[in-house]
Amino acid sequence: ETGVTQTPRHLVMGMTNKKSLKCEQHLGHNAMYWYKQSAKKPLELMFVYNFKEQTENNSVPSRFSPECPNSSHLFLHLHTLQPEDSALYLCASSQEGGRANTGELFFGEGSRLTVL
Amino acid sequence: GESVGLHLPTLSVQEGDNSIINCAYSNSASDYFIWYKQESGKGPQFIIDIRSNMDKRQGQRVTVLLNKTVKHLSLQIAATQPGDSAVYFCAVTRGRGSQGNLIFGKGTKLSVKP
Repeated sequence: ETGVTQTPRHLVMGMTNKKSLKCEQHLGHNAMYWYKQSAKKPLELMFVYNFKEQTENNSVPSRFSPECPNSSHLFLHLHTLQPEDSALYLCASSQEGGRANTGELFFGEGSRLTVL
Repeated sequence: GESVGLHLPTLSVQEGDNSIINCAYSNSASDYFIWYKQESGKGPQFIIDIRSNMDKRQGQRVTVLLNKTVKHLSLQIAATQPGDSAVYFCAVTRGRGSQGNLIFGKGTKLSVKP
């Protein structure tokens, strides 16, 4: 098993659909993140969860709704998206705080989303 | 606002040559710097990091140099191989103590010619 797994790897949806992206980390980390990667743009931080609590919402539209039921799982619920939301959505985890804190992010392979 | 910029969007090198990828950042409070490699169809992978109390750190075939005076970061890859072909991102912390919350550059695509 890889450290951070994301499903589905590819998703095509219409603007009126509701879908969810799933992320699971097997590293025992206490922080999880959603990033958006669009062509020719830097990685954009969307949400941060620390010990299951959302600590950052980086001005993300409400059509993206995160859920973190426990420190190993993270979801991104999608509803009434726009074509410009088409991108690679990357999940990451890290161990924050304490002597084990290296700050390194461990990324999943991403979910490629296309909104028609 | 905070920004991280890369000097070149693409870099092409001959196999066996050394590669240098550069990055500039704007926030003088940034204290932790990371280089990531992203191969096609995969997520970014950690290569090497450096903290602000150092100016050089070496790994296997890779070296990161940090110049805090001019807010410049570079990644050097020795004896570049075809497997090094990827997009390389630098990332810096938003400020002291915010280690998991990074600002990323746009990336430099490294192509290695056999």
